[in-house]
Formats: sequence, structure tokens, C-alpha cells
Amino acid sequence: AQSVTQPDIHITVSEGASLELRCNYSYGATPYLFWYVQSPGQGLQLLLKYFSGDTLVQGIKGFEAEFKRSQSSFNLRKPSVHWSDAAEYFCAVGAPGGGNKLTFGTGTQLKVEL
Amino acid sequence: GAVVSQHPSWVICKSGTSVKIECRSLDFQATTMFWYRQFPKQSLMLMATSNEGSKATYEQGVEKDKFLINHASLTLSTLTVTSAHPEDSSFYICSASRSQGATDTQYFGPGTRLTVL
Repeated sequence: AQSVTQPDIHITVSEGASLELRCNYSYGATPYLFWYVQSPGQGLQLLLKYFSGDTLVQGIKGFEAEFKRSQSSFNLRKPSVHWSDAAEYFCAVGAPGGGNKLTFGTGTQLKVEL
Repeated sequence: GAVVSQHPSWVICKSGTSVKIECRSLDFQATTMFWYRQFPKQSLMLMATSNEGSKATYEQGVEKDKFLINHASLTLSTLTVTSAHPEDSSFYICSASRSQGATDTQYFGPGTRLTVL
């Protein structure tokens, strides 16, 4: 069974600074990988996803993530954080042969200092 | 597009009563819907997967007689928490997808906060 680890429970960055949220997965092959953002009162919104191909994936809101097979990682990055990016971020993994069920990490709470 | 709603957004009930939560896909047909439970400061835990017109598939450890799931149409799934107890208090989130294909995106509802007194 697949699993996801997000090592950082909380991260605080200054507005305008760069951001990297870490995600490591455990799966026997190349999984499908996702990043979602959860804001209060709103449903989880998909930021980006990786299925295959180019390992650098561009998403919405200026986010990108890079799949590194050797490190079993799929870290989320943004070059310049905006105050509105403060939210909870979840990494998720899906098994290519397992329908579209997802296993989520425990989330990283991002705080942005003005 | 791809909007999913949940109703109610929050509910408070007495111990022993049953509560129904609705999940609707507003602008697409959802063959598959998922129900999750999220405890404070924790991740989403998948409870069950439902396909329209079929019985739901429950994850290990989830009581199917306690958490009744119905997916009677392509736009509506309901979760009924029967004989709710304080330990059932949680944030329940649904998601919907057009199919169960591995690359089909799940679209999430805003969640329902259940508090059982």
C-alpha cells in the first residue's frame, strides 16, 4: 500500500520569499502524485498533478512541483509567496492500477508573514 | 466548472440521533464519489468509495452499518451517520469524479462539521 509523508507540520515564510513544501511517498512503482490546498470554508483545490512525462509540473497560482524518483519525493515550490497563499497543503498519492483512490499526507500548514 | 457542494456545512445533534449529509456535483455527472473524515490537524482518511447505482465500498475499519452511503444519482451522494455518538464528531468531506479512472480528478466539497453532544 502506498503512503505519504509530509515532514513539516507548520511552515512560516515572509511574503515575497520562496517556498518549498516537502512530500515523500512510498510506493512500489511510480505513483500518481498530487498537491491540494485547503482553505477554511472551501473544498480542497487541486494545485497540480503528475502522472508521467516531464518531472517538473506546473500548476495553478504559480506553483510547481518536481518528481524525483531517486528521492521518492514530490516537493511543491513557489518562487514568491503571497499572503493569500496561507492555507493547509496536502500531498496525495494514487496508485495507477487502483482507480482514483488517493492517500493523503498529514498536511503542512503555511503561514505567511507580511 | 467541477463544483461540488455539501449540505449542511455544519450540524449539531444529540447523541443517539442520525444525521444525513448531502454531497452534490453541481455541473458535472459524478460516477464516483468518495467520503473522507478529517480530524483536527490530521489528514483526510478515506471512509468509502461509492459508484452510482452500486453499493459503497468501505475502507477497513469503517462500520458500514453506522455510516450509510447512498449514491442514487449521478449528482448526489448521501452519508448518514446513524446513532451518532460524540466520537463521531468530525469534519466530513466528500469528493466527486467523473469516473473511477486512475487519472480522473477528484473535486472536493467544502466539508461538513458534525458535532455530536
